[in-house]
Amino acid sequence: GESVGLHLPTLSVQEGDNSIINCAYSNSASDYFIWYKQESGKGPQFIIDIRSNMDKRQGQRVTVLLNKTVKHLSLQIAATQPGDSAVYFCAVFSGGYQKVTFGTGTKLQVIP
Amino acid sequence: EPEVTQTPSHQVTQMGQEVILRCVPISNHLYFYWYRQILGQKVEFLVSFYNNEISEKSEIFDDQFSVERPDGSNFTLKIRSTKLEDSAMYFCASSTPTAGGNYYEQYFGPGTRLTVT
Repeated sequence: GESVGLHLPTLSVQEGDNSIINCAYSNSASDYFIWYKQESGKGPQFIIDIRSNMDKRQGQRVTVLLNKTVKHLSLQIAATQPGDSAVYFCAVFSGGYQKVTFGTGTKLQVIP
Repeated sequence: EPEVTQTPSHQVTQMGQEVILRCVPISNHLYFYWYRQILGQKVEFLVSFYNNEISEKSEIFDDQFSVERPDGSNFTLKIRSTKLEDSAMYFCASSTPTAGGNYYEQYFGPGTRLTVT
């Protein structure tokens, strides 16, 4: 369906290829970051997190990289599968762990 | 696996009416949250709740909004007089402190789609 408001960037990748999704944040005091996956009609699902004292963290098929100098983090998905198709967005925590700011999201489309 | 549940899945209401969105957080969680997502836009934080009081709220969470934990299991969001621009998906989330850290993974419910006509 048609999006209202902010245009959602789309990343199309071939099944089996690696995907890289990026997120920029503005507050240099941000100290905790989460990547979420949101499938159509569902709530956000935690994928992986990273604290500001780290620059890389790996999970199962996913890696998060944090570059505090340029206030940028990325999510790498290895060997992308059709089930990875979803909207991915980063969430940034700063100044307390109860409030979080979400990024705008990237729609990942996996081409079989 | 425990999960956050929300009811109803879809709520249609007329402008000016009051609505109550309901959530059952994960049972041993201590922190509760409401977020909203307008169609095609990003998820926006509304409010966090701990120890029976609001711990953080956003600019969106004005006097029209209120939250309550009426018993040991439910967490509700009330909108007193709905406006057209309140139409959105509303997500509830809950979390609890994990060992060794201050960072609380938030578990989200499936959302309630609110349509204001």
